[in-house]
Amino acid sequence: DAGVTQSPTHLIKTRGQQVTLRCSPKSGHDTVSWYQQALGQGPQFIFQYYEEEERQRGNFPDRFSGHQFPNYSSELNVNALLLGDSALYLCASSSPGLAGEETQYFGPGTRLLVL
Amino acid sequence: ILNVEQSPQSLHVQEGDSTNFTCSFPSSNFYALHWYRWETAKSPEALFVMTLNGDEKKKGRISATLNTKEGYSYLYIKGSQPEDSATYLCARSGYSTLTFGKGTMLLVSP
Repeated sequence: DAGVTQSPTHLIKTRGQQVTLRCSPKSGHDTVSWYQQALGQGPQFIFQYYEEEERQRGNFPDRFSGHQFPNYSSELNVNALLLGDSALYLCASSSPGLAGEETQYFGPGTRLLVL
Repeated sequence: ILNVEQSPQSLHVQEGDSTNFTCSFPSSNFYALHWYRWETAKSPEALFVMTLNGDEKKKGRISATLNTKEGYSYLYIKGSQPEDSATYLCARSGYSTLTFGKGTMLLVSP
């Protein structure tokens, strides 16, 4: 089992550009969540996808959007990049369980640098 | 408490020392408390999911306790080893999302 994988590992963009990050969940998992970890902070929830729909969303602007495919893999898109979007982006997958109790398994992250 | 808070921010101990960290969280609408261990350049690794007041979980030399009424959890490491060096994150569950603290960075010197 490969676990949660993310691509690319690192990315450098300039302000105003758009970026797409990719995530493949752990085998058997159908729910994907995305988190942003800025320097010195804990991971912050962006949104969660289940059955190809956005189920929950954190306090992030509409520039952040996502998609989940029928094979449960997911993409995170960020438009009109700002310097403040520089961060580590983590993807986590989980399978249905009692609300709040399901373990989320994390990938190694994509480090985005916006210049 | 409005957010998830962890203390100390960092800790440096000698091999063989026992240590503990604290996670404080809002106690209202509580679902579960998660602990993760995150080594540099790796994925965060799930340690425990705790749901009930008074819960106590153990995995090898690492254990954790939970007090949902007052909103705190303790993580203990007995006889720290250099391979325990990592950032330890706690997260409070909402319905299906996690709210993380900033973590405690542990360094264990040989």
